[in-house]
Amino acid sequence: NAGVTQTPKFRVLKTGQSMTLLCAQDMNHEYMYWYRQDPGMGLRLIHYSVGEGTTAKGEVPDGYNVSRLKKQNFLLGLESAAPSQTSVYFCASSYRYPSYNEQFFGPGTRLTVL
Amino acid sequence: DAKTTQPTSMDCAEGRAANLPCNHSTISGNEYVYWYRQIHSQGPQYIIHGLKNNETNEMASLIITEDRKSSTLILPHATLRDTAVYYCIEHNAGNMLTFGGGTRLMVKP
Repeated sequence: NAGVTQTPKFRVLKTGQSMTLLCAQDMNHEYMYWYRQDPGMGLRLIHYSVGEGTTAKGEVPDGYNVSRLKKQNFLLGLESAAPSQTSVYFCASSYRYPSYNEQFFGPGTRLTVL
Repeated sequence: DAKTTQPTSMDCAEGRAANLPCNHSTISGNEYVYWYRQIHSQGPQYIIHGLKNNETNEMASLIITEDRKSSTLILPHATLRDTAVYYCIEHNAGNMLTFGGGTRLMVKP
């Protein structure tokens, strides 16, 4: 199993450009999450999904949109990138709460907005 | 805001036990304590979790005080590869994890 994969690994954008980050998992997990991590800080939850076709806001959702059209994929979109969105983005997935709910993380996408 | 408190950094000699403390004085009765670690710039990795009883797995042991206000993660024989940031997290409703700053553990030869 590949686990959780993220595409792309690195990206540089100019202010105002848009992009989509793709997260894929092959563990048949119900839940999926997008986090961002700024230098020297812990991860903060952007959006999450509890199942196909559902999404919800996390702690820092502004400036991002998400979609979960297929159970195995969770997309994070930036419609108009800003320098404040320069960060490392991590995707994660887990089984349904409240069962054993270890979150499995992807390797991250390093995004720089100029 | 994270509801746990951890030391910012700790050092440990290679081969010795690393004991990482965490305070979670506001934890409620049905909330678990989870530990994750993040090696360099990789995605966080689950280590262990517990509710009331002490827990042990192939990676670590978790000791939870009787009043559940604090816990200690024990890496019994630390290696250089255990150098990482360790996060102690109260598991809240809906399976959301709230990461604080964690403890930066440096294992030294």
